[in-house]
Amino acid sequence: RKEVEQDPGPFNVPEGATVAFNCTYSNSASQSFFWYRQDCRKEPKLLMSVYSSGNEDGRFTAQLNRASQYISLLIRDSKLSDSATYLCVVTLSGGNTPLVFGKGTRLSVIA
Amino acid sequence: GAGVSQSPRYKVTKRGQDVALRCDPISGHVSLYWYRQALGQGPEFLTYFNYEAQQDKSGLPNDRFSAERPEGSISTLTIQRTEQRDSAMYRCASSLAGDPHKYFGPGTRLTVL
Repeated sequence: RKEVEQDPGPFNVPEGATVAFNCTYSNSASQSFFWYRQDCRKEPKLLMSVYSSGNEDGRFTAQLNRASQYISLLIRDSKLSDSATYLCVVTLSGGNTPLVFGKGTRLSVIA
Repeated sequence: GAGVSQSPRYKVTKRGQDVALRCDPISGHVSLYWYRQALGQGPEFLTYFNYEAQQDKSGLPNDRFSAERPEGSISTLTIQRTEQRDSAMYRCASSLAGDPHKYFGPGTRLTVL
């Protein structure tokens, strides 16, 4: 079983749609959780951290369910510029420990 | 400020040759990580350093792969006797002490013919 599992997509949605991505992780000792965004042929960049209380950044909302070992990302009012691959990421502890990535979920927002 | 830089950006080599990939982290970043990313996959951890000390090399696929960071700044990932299956994007990332946020470089695209 992979440590971090995501639906690879692609998700093809019209502009203005709401889209949700889900991710599960296998190691219950995981401590820190993130969503990274990766544009085609570019490096991954941090989109947002994920907290149990849920957190929101503009049109993006991330949620963590530790009991179910489940992470989600909701994008409201999708823009063309949201088209990218979204990587679910966990670490075993905070600080300097390496990131463990899922395969990524590809999103295409269509005009 | 300057981000993480990697060189070369592209490397084409013949099977059996050795290659050295360089990473220059963000100034002041204590931790440095090497990842490998195949097409359509997320980055896969190879190894990491805190300062000059290699903390974890469990992700290195075999003993043809090695890495060093002798002065706690620039790091080199070396692949000896390259094979076609080594072809991938090799990415370096760095972070401040205790900071889970990693900053990635542009990567080195390695092609082994």
